[in-house]
Amino acid sequence: EAQVTQNPRYLITVTGKKLTVTCSQNMNHEYMSWYRQDPGLGLRQIYYSMNVEVTDKGDVPEGYKVSRKEKRNFPLILESPSPNQTSLYFCASRFLTGNYGYTFGSGTRLTVV
Amino acid sequence: QQQVKQSPQSLIVQKGGISIINCAYENTAFDYFPWYQQFPGKGPALLIAIRPDVSEKKEGRFTISFNKSAKQFSLHIMDSQPGDSATYFCAASISQGAQKLVFGQGTRLTINP
Repeated sequence: EAQVTQNPRYLITVTGKKLTVTCSQNMNHEYMSWYRQDPGLGLRQIYYSMNVEVTDKGDVPEGYKVSRKEKRNFPLILESPSPNQTSLYFCASRFLTGNYGYTFGSGTRLTVV
Repeated sequence: QQQVKQSPQSLIVQKGGISIINCAYENTAFDYFPWYQQFPGKGPALLIAIRPDVSEKKEGRFTISFNKSAKQFSLHIMDSQPGDSATYFCAASISQGAQKLVFGQGTRLTINP
């Protein structure tokens, strides 16, 4: 089944404790992206990658890091999480050309206390 | 200029009625306008999309109407059903370059039986 897999689904952590949210896709998509979803703000892009070893900032990159060492994986790293990073996070992927529709993962609900 | 403004924030429609959600954009370079549907606990899923060379696109009960001169587009759900109850996001992107998808704020749609 074609899908984007995120882990974990739920995570509660304390301020300052480094964490990684994993994202993997099995559709050979070149483009991968991380979004955060907050009430009344819709989905805002954090980082994106157009291919292996090519990453760039989205609209709200502060406090986040990403890497793209393999085509299928695009982890999101929070080096020192803060309470304002409490949110619902989505990984998404798509082909660079042709159909521009994203496939989204099921989300990771992160709470930073 | 990169924003997409979506209204209303929430909408309640009776079963069998027509649900209408509106979006407006500023950036005339946008050339791809999708709508995503999100059920609780799930990631957004592509519902229907339109390009600015057509004024309307219909897929089953779902129709996108596009007004290029007004820089507005809307989603119409005909014969709305309780199973359509979800959050709907409009979005816009530019086909060239980084092709970031910019999302509206979302509309929580409830269809009363």
